[in-house]
Amino acid sequence: DAGVIQSPRHEVTEMGQEVTLRCKPISGHNSLFWYRQTMMRGLELLIYFNNNVPIDDSGMPEDRFSAKMPNASFSTLKIQPSEPRDSAVYFCASRTSGMGEQYFGPGTRLTVT
Amino acid sequence: SQQGEEDPQALSIQEGENATMNCSYKTSINNLQWYRQNSGRGLVHLILIRSNEREKHSGRLRVTLDTSKKSSSLLITASRAADTASYFCATDARNNDMRFGAGTRLTVKP
Repeated sequence: DAGVIQSPRHEVTEMGQEVTLRCKPISGHNSLFWYRQTMMRGLELLIYFNNNVPIDDSGMPEDRFSAKMPNASFSTLKIQPSEPRDSAVYFCASRTSGMGEQYFGPGTRLTVT
Repeated sequence: SQQGEEDPQALSIQEGENATMNCSYKTSINNLQWYRQNSGRGLVHLILIRSNEREKHSGRLRVTLDTSKKSSSLLITASRAADTASYFCATDARNNDMRFGAGTRLTVKP
């Protein structure tokens, strides 16, 4: 298995633009997590899905952020409109629900200018 | 919001020495996990300890868990320069929710 796949790996955009981050979890995993990592705030859980259903989105910072999981093999995190303070590394992780270990993707480094 | 809190925030040691990192948390957990992150990379799982376990070993890693104090420690013995990384604890709550601490940045000098 190729592991958790994220795209793009790097994204530079201007303030106000829409940004879409993509994640393909490991096949067979039914839980998917989106995290944001910054120096100031560390690693923050944004939202997680079980069986494609959002379970807890309390970590989503504001209405500008939205996440979807249309099927078991794909999820998106969208920021619209983007702001400079959204600059961070966004990680996607997956696991088999209730089985412990999470597998992280390589992350998407987002820079909003 | 974060759940685990690591201590210290940064640790610098010489190769061959042992490194101990601590983690405290606030709520009931199903298990606690430790992860490692090399600069610019995703997190990699190191070890998991269940709430009914007190100690676990994996190679040069030793993890302890004290649920009465809501704390855990990660010991890396005979450290190597390649162990230089950030280490995070993560609490796995009964609702399948995982929260990470702020991490300890470990530097092992050759």
